[in-house]
Amino acid sequence: EVQLLESGGGLVQPGGSLRLSCVASGFTFNNYAMYWVRQAPEKGLQWVSGISGSGDSTYYADSVKGRFTISRDNSKNTLYLQMNSLRAEDTAIYYCAKDRVYTSSSGWFDPWGQGTLVTVSS
Amino acid sequence: EVVLTQSPATLSLSPGERATLSCRASQSVSEYLAWYQQKPGQAPRLLIYDASNRATGIPARFSGSGSGADFTLTISSLEPEDFAVYFCQQRSTWPRTFGQGTKLQIK
Repeated sequence: EVQLLESGGGLVQPGGSLRLSCVASGFTFNNYAMYWVRQAPEKGLQWVSGISGSGDSTYYADSVKGRFTISRDNSKNTLYLQMNSLRAEDTAIYYCAKDRVYTSSSGWFDPWGQGTLVTVSS
Repeated sequence: EVVLTQSPATLSLSPGERATLSCRASQSVSEYLAWYQQKPGQAPRLLIYDASNRATGIPARFSGSGSGADFTLTISSLEPEDFAVYFCQQRSTWPRTFGQGTKLQIK
């Protein structure tokens, strides 16, 4: 069974930093692209970032480009999101998600972890 | 970026009824559209990808159709567990974008 377990969320002041982690199990991690998607409280979904299975290719939403960095450690089956210069509008539940397709970046998110809450407030 | 507009915002139906949810794209996304279901306190779950393919383990009462800019998710006969929020998502262009959601509630 595929499992994705996020951690690292919490309360941070504007301008601060956090690093999110997502530990994966139940599949061959380095064969799948991975993603971060966020959901502001009572709001819709926003794709944040994606990374290829090898880690060679990364993608970002314009709203986080230059502030967030996605990475992965395939030896630890772990996905990361380093978030710097945080703003109030970054407050959201952050989900990690696996790509649906083996060795390809299909762009479909399946499955998702349960999420970790990031709150940016003074 | 591609804007996805879902309608209606809220749909009130009874168990056993047929549900029809719409997603319209601001430009053609070919067949690169997916549907997700989200229940309160849970992560979204992939239902349909590539407009009409059911994801693993999704019941046959869920079906998707459409291409280009107009898409439909149909639930043929609503079960109590189907009342949730449904989002569409496109992967035709970067950034990947989602619709704002349709809340399917019990009438």
